[in-house]
Amino acid sequence: AQSVTQLGSHVSVSEGALVLLRCNYSSSVPPYLFWYVQYPNQGLQLLLKYTTGATLVKGINGFEAEFKKSETSFHLTKPSAHMSDAAEYFCAVNLGNQFYFGTGTSLTVIP
Amino acid sequence: GAVVSQHPSRVICKSGTSVKIECRSLDFQATTMFWYRQFPKKSLMLMATSNEGSKATYEQGVEKDKFLINHASLTLSTLTVTSAHPEDSSFYICSAAGQGENTGELFFGEGSRLTVL
Repeated sequence: AQSVTQLGSHVSVSEGALVLLRCNYSSSVPPYLFWYVQYPNQGLQLLLKYTTGATLVKGINGFEAEFKKSETSFHLTKPSAHMSDAAEYFCAVNLGNQFYFGTGTSLTVIP
Repeated sequence: GAVVSQHPSRVICKSGTSVKIECRSLDFQATTMFWYRQFPKKSLMLMATSNEGSKATYEQGVEKDKFLINHASLTLSTLTVTSAHPEDSSFYICSAAGQGENTGELFFGEGSRLTVL
């Protein structure tokens, strides 16, 4: 069973526009949730994470994500896209110390 | 804190030779490390879970004799691709499970690009 689903393998936005990358998970218990960014030929860098507490999580580079239990979602947003945001983004969940990754979303920023 | 370093970042080898990739946790002890393989434009595929002082646990379909994993210390895990062939060319990424306040999080190395000629 797919534990993490990222809708949209490719997303294109104009520079300065809102970035919205979608992530839904399937779990009977609240998981730990993560967003990672990957630049070409590099490893994964943590953008932000949700474990417990406040459901709106702020990360690096102006990104934030909101954990919505009722929707089993953890969508990633950024109010204004920058050219340097072009990269691959992965949503991940930790369920009982088992990590599951989404298939990734490639973000293109159009000047 | 919680830095993971991988070496080498790029390696080119001839078919039939073996290549070793190192994954080090620089400022914390990693009892559990993970090795992933990533194909172009694809997500990470978990190859194996490496536990310090014990045998690695391989995912289904991963040849343990082809991809040798050693986790002899709390800060070092190695992946050796034995008798490499062109189809082994890929991007390999390691990660380490966080400890203490970082429990539940994974920290990733920079990745290693293997090209087998």
